[in-house]
Amino acid sequence: AQKITQTQPGMFVQEKEAVTLDCTYDTSDPSYGLFWYKQPSSGEMIFLIYQGSYDQQNATEGRYSLNFQKARKSANLVISASQLGDSAMYFCAMRLDSAAGNKLTFGGGTRVLVKP
Amino acid sequence: NAGVTQTPKFRVLKTGQSMTLLCAQDMNHEYMYWYRQDPGMGLRLIHYSVGEGTTAKGEVPDGYNVSRLKKQNFLLGLESAAPSQTSVYFCASRNYNRGGEQYFGPGTRLTVT
Repeated sequence: AQKITQTQPGMFVQEKEAVTLDCTYDTSDPSYGLFWYKQPSSGEMIFLIYQGSYDQQNATEGRYSLNFQKARKSANLVISASQLGDSAMYFCAMRLDSAAGNKLTFGGGTRVLVKP
Repeated sequence: NAGVTQTPKFRVLKTGQSMTLLCAQDMNHEYMYWYRQDPGMGLRLIHYSVGEGTTAKGEVPDGYNVSRLKKQNFLLGLESAAPSQTSVYFCASRNYNRGGEQYFGPGTRLTVT
């Protein structure tokens, strides 16, 4: 069974600084995908970035990048140049490509508060 | 293109009452999911469907039933609501491709008193 762990329940970051959100995962399957979602106070789930287990390069999407360290089984999200609008809950999730329905397993989340 | 929509947005039930949550997607996605999110926690999968007419249990299926009679709709039913089912319910859908992310609806906040 797969497991996702986010060890930082909450953190503060100064506006315009970078922040790293930790995510570790546990699976013995060779083929999987890792996702990050943002949940602002309004409640919706917003997809940020995806990394496949066979992807050679770390994924990037604008100010978001995923620091994928396969041997360590970590998939940390880096947000560069934080903005006030980045204040939200952030969830790491994993999908096993072999799992029926390709369902996601979520971590417990990290709350980020950006200070002006 | 509305994406994933959920009806209703809010609902209050009394213990023992029943209700159905409707999820609709207009992206022609094969896969659909129902999750629940309790305060301060991540999402947990209740049921999912890999195509019209098929459903399967997720991580926390007890107390819920689902149906997918049409490809674009996925219904979640509570036959006899309990206070433990107070939660925010999210529906999601995705296409059948390897890297595809799940698209989420806005959520339904359900309170059972």
